[in-house]
Amino acid sequence: GAVVSQHPSWVICKSGTSVKIECRSLDFQATTMFWYRQFPKQSLMLMATSNEGSKATYEQGVEKDKFLINHASLTLSTLTVTSAHPEDSSFYICSVMGRADYEQYFGPGTRLTVT
Amino acid sequence: KQEVTQIPAALSVPEGENLVLNCSFTDSAIYNLQWFRQDPGKGLTSLLLIQSSQREQTSGRLNASLDKSSGRSTLYIAASQPGDSATYLCAGGSEKLVFGKGTKLTVNP
Repeated sequence: GAVVSQHPSWVICKSGTSVKIECRSLDFQATTMFWYRQFPKQSLMLMATSNEGSKATYEQGVEKDKFLINHASLTLSTLTVTSAHPEDSSFYICSVMGRADYEQYFGPGTRLTVT
Repeated sequence: KQEVTQIPAALSVPEGENLVLNCSFTDSAIYNLQWFRQDPGKGLTSLLLIQSSQREQTSGRLNASLDKSSGRSTLYIAASQPGDSATYLCAGGSEKLVFGKGTKLTVNP
């Protein structure tokens, strides 16, 4: 399977600031990456689909101007949480779609805390 | 809209027991059904992937089955060990995955 990394693994920021989270596919080129959010004791909810070289596709209810996604290369997608609020505190996980059969490989996640 | 439900929400068993985790989905037009393991505060580890044309997959002590007609999948864990303690998530879909809320498994030594 694919090896996916995320950076940072955890971050604390003040309300109103922006924070960028990176997702890297380490061992193959990924045309499609996904961003999920997981609140405590809840399941993963898909936020957006990130396609290399094109605009991300956001799920219903996810503000595209607040959660900026950039997939500038086949190995890197970034999620920027702009003007963060405490309710944005969550666990953000990215995944990479594999070469075949739509199998997804997940990163280790980023814990965001907004104070 | 696809909905995925996992039962039970939590399960505690003694070491060595065989156990079954259940997953049901509302839309049978799925391409894949994946089972994942998530340790506290960590990301997801893919355990098994069953394609829509398949009925089951096995990896070591794990066996997952898929019955599209009934909208169900099960994850069978044989001879459970304390190291199996984690939350197990199932997810169905094609390009986009819809996740259940998971079953939190505790295996007691």
